[in-house]
Amino acid sequence: QVHLVQSGAEVKKPGSSVRVSCKASGGTFSTYPISWVRQAPGQGIEWMGGIVPSFGAVNYARRFQGRVTMTADKSKTIVYMELSSLKSEDTAVYYCARDQGENTAVAGFNNWFDPWGQGTLVTVSS
Amino acid sequence: DIVMTQSPDSVAVSLGERATINCRSSQTILYSSNNKKYLAWYQQKPGQPPKLLIYWASTRESGVPDRFSGSGSGTDFTLTISDLQPEDVAIYYCQQYYSTPPTFGQGTRLEI
Repeated sequence: QVHLVQSGAEVKKPGSSVRVSCKASGGTFSTYPISWVRQAPGQGIEWMGGIVPSFGAVNYARRFQGRVTMTADKSKTIVYMELSSLKSEDTAVYYCARDQGENTAVAGFNNWFDPWGQGTLVTVSS
Repeated sequence: DIVMTQSPDSVAVSLGERATINCRSSQTILYSSNNKKYLAWYQQKPGQPPKLLIYWASTRESGVPDRFSGSGSGTDFTLTISDLQPEDVAIYYCQQYYSTPPTFGQGTRLEI
């Protein structure tokens, strides 16, 4: 059974970047996509994109393209999400989650999400 | 992108009673070639990540009580929670995975 543990809370200035990590333990790491979703305070859930660790293929949501970078370190079973040009509207809890379902070749396509990491609060404030 | 709309936004149900939460997709999420409905339901409690309850619109995740059931057609889906328990207080979300990007409903808050 895969267990996902994320890095700790971050406070960032507008215009800077943040990198959040997600370490997987147990189960199979490389063959399942890992997606990143975020939830702004009191708001709904938004998928940002994902990566297939085994071959590094990424699939980003249109609105984050150019601002998000997802990478994987297979040897350490860690996935990273870096978001740049931060704005106050990026203040949110960021979750990693393993894709489950029909498609192990493309993150965020034909898959639901289970399990989830515990979440990382990113606060963007001047 | 497929828009998922849940109703109601909030619902209060008595202990032991039944709660019904609806989810509508802006286009069909039934794939005709395999007759599968690409819909999942999650439960989120304060300070916790969402927890998967149901996938393929009606398949319960292992360990989820059978009080939770899902049903629906190509665009209209329902999560039913029978015999409501105190631990069921949470926000419930639907999610389509028919196409990318996967999208979520805005959530329904269930109260006792």
